[in-house]
Amino acid sequence: AQSVTQLGSHVSVSEGALVLLRCNYSSSVPPYLFWYVQYPNQGLQLLLKYTTGATLVKGINGFEAEFKKSETSFHLTKPSAHMSDAAEYFCAVREAGTALIFGKGTTLSVSS
Amino acid sequence: DAGVTQSPTHLIKTRGQQVTLRCSPISGHKSVSWYQQVLGQGPQFIFQYYEKEERGRGNFPDRFSARQFPNYSSELNVNALLLGDSALYLCASSLESQTYNEQFFGPGTRLTVL
Repeated sequence: AQSVTQLGSHVSVSEGALVLLRCNYSSSVPPYLFWYVQYPNQGLQLLLKYTTGATLVKGINGFEAEFKKSETSFHLTKPSAHMSDAAEYFCAVREAGTALIFGKGTTLSVSS
Repeated sequence: DAGVTQSPTHLIKTRGQQVTLRCSPISGHKSVSWYQQVLGQGPQFIFQYYEKEERGRGNFPDRFSARQFPNYSSELNVNALLLGDSALYLCASSLESQTYNEQFFGPGTRLTVL
């Protein structure tokens, strides 16, 4: 069965520092992987996705993620954090079928 | 273009009541999915509909039901509400139902059960 584990429910960084949000997945077949961001009282916005091809995926707002099959990981990074990046981040996996399976989320706090 | 819209934005019900939530997908999108997001958790899949047919169902009791209309809008119904049904209910639409199709999420309906 598919599952997603996000390591660290809360990550705090200073403005300008590297952002690293960790995601590990479990899947019996090559998965489709996604990162979503959720701002307070809003729905989910897609940051980036991995389907096939290049394992380094670039998304919106300067975020990127690397699919590492050997480590079953899809960690999200951003070289320099901005105050506006403070939000809830969700990693999700999708195999053949319909449902997105989400992790429990990581809250990113950015301090000045 | 308008994104996914959901109504109402907030709703307060008491235990045992029934509720209907509504979703309008992005124009041209034929698939609608419903998710439940309990506070502090990631969204959990409830249903997917494509071309008015149920294509997937998550691990939710029969109190939860849904349907999709000819214009591709959708309703989620929950009967005999429990306190544990309090959550943000998210609707997502996609062009088709394939695995690689991106799902676009609406702002959600916040349901509070007292």
